[in-house]
Amino acid sequence: GQQVMQIPQYQHVQEGEDFTTYCNSSTTLSNIQWYKQRPGGHPVFLIQLVKSGEVKKQKRLTFQFGEAKKNSSLHITATQTTDVGTYFCAGPMDSNYQLIWGAGTKLIIKP
Amino acid sequence: DVKVTQSSRYLVKRTGEKVFLECVQDMDHENMFWYRQDPGLGLRLIYFSYDVKMKEKGDIPEGYSVSREKKERFSLILESASTNQTSMYLCASSQGIAGGLYNEQFFGPGTRLTVL
Repeated sequence: GQQVMQIPQYQHVQEGEDFTTYCNSSTTLSNIQWYKQRPGGHPVFLIQLVKSGEVKKQKRLTFQFGEAKKNSSLHITATQTTDVGTYFCAGPMDSNYQLIWGAGTKLIIKP
Repeated sequence: DVKVTQSSRYLVKRTGEKVFLECVQDMDHENMFWYRQDPGLGLRLIYFSYDVKMKEKGDIPEGYSVSREKKERFSLILESASTNQTSMYLCASSQGIAGGLYNEQFFGPGTRLTVL
């Protein structure tokens, strides 16, 4: 069945270093969404990418959707403590009613 | 702002008990979802509903049932709770598909269920 693989599972960085998480889908996606879950919180929508090769920025966050619409990445420049949490990607199933979720990448800031 | 509320933040039940988890959304969304979240496993879909009285199985429906009698309310039922159902349960809602674009999901705060 359709799968979305997300790596790495964890990433430890020093504050100020960059962070990247990658998603790969087994099938072409019509769009991909990114969510952030703070510790103890619930997932919150960040952005949706729709077009092949699309790049969107939100301040220090850069989101990319691959040319083949099968992969995506989220890059955070100069991480801050407020960036701590788990980042999930999710793409719609062919049925379009539900999302297939990546397992998430947990960003941990080293003290 | 869209609001999704869940009946309890924390719940402790005993093995064999019937457990009801309620979710209410206030934005007239067509779609509602129940997920469970376990460390290292991400979000796994239990059931979803795209209309009143309609339900579809997700990836892990065994041991669960759902009810959607009103558009704003989606209930998850554990008929006979077991210890392996100890988890975080998250409810979400979204608007229906519009223009071929899949809409974002809005999540409730979650219910941490412990089954002893």
